[in-house]
Amino acid sequence: KQEVTQIPAALSVPEGENLVLNCSFTDSAIYNLQWFRQDPGKGLTSLLLIQSSQREQTSGRLNASLDKSSGRSTLYIAASQPGDSATYLCAVTAAGNKLTFGGGTRVLVKP
Amino acid sequence: EAGVAQSPRYKIIEKRQSVAFWCNPISGHATLYWYQQILGQGPKLLIQFQNNGVVDDSQLPKDRFSAERLKGVDSTLKIQPAKLEDSAVYLCASSSRAVDSLETQYFGPGTRLLVL
Repeated sequence: KQEVTQIPAALSVPEGENLVLNCSFTDSAIYNLQWFRQDPGKGLTSLLLIQSSQREQTSGRLNASLDKSSGRSTLYIAASQPGDSATYLCAVTAAGNKLTFGGGTRVLVKP
Repeated sequence: EAGVAQSPRYKIIEKRQSVAFWCNPISGHATLYWYQQILGQGPKLLIQFQNNGVVDDSQLPKDRFSAERLKGVDSTLKIQPAKLEDSAVYLCASSSRAVDSLETQYFGPGTRLLVL
């Protein structure tokens, strides 16, 4: 059974610092890995999707890496801003388009 | 393009009462998902529909939870009777193509349930 773990569970940084969020998964038989953002009282917004054959994906200040063999992914957010404060979730996709989520990392960026 | 709609947004009930949630997916999306997200945890898949058929309900507590998607469009999720541990956010998501293809899931805002 796939298990996805995110460390740390919470993170607080001053504005301008780079953020590093970690995700690990136990079963490397995945199709892709996604990073989502969740704001309080709102649904999930997909930030980046990395196919299993890719090593990384970039969008603006966000960069995500994937090491499928070791079961790890890292999300980097450069030059953090208070608007980046949210919960970040990673999820892996298995057959049948089924997502298995990690528990999330709550991020607070202080002005 | 309108997103996934869910109602109600919030619901407070007492234990042993029943409750129902409604989801309207993005128009034309064949696959619909219901997730349960307990506070501090990631979403957990409860049930997955392909059109009006159930693809996977292995994690749905069938003694108290039921879901239907009768016309292959909108869906309802029901809990009867509710327990304290059912307090969670219930998220609906949809994706455009068949369940055996890898398509981005689009999430609704969720229904926050509190069972007292």
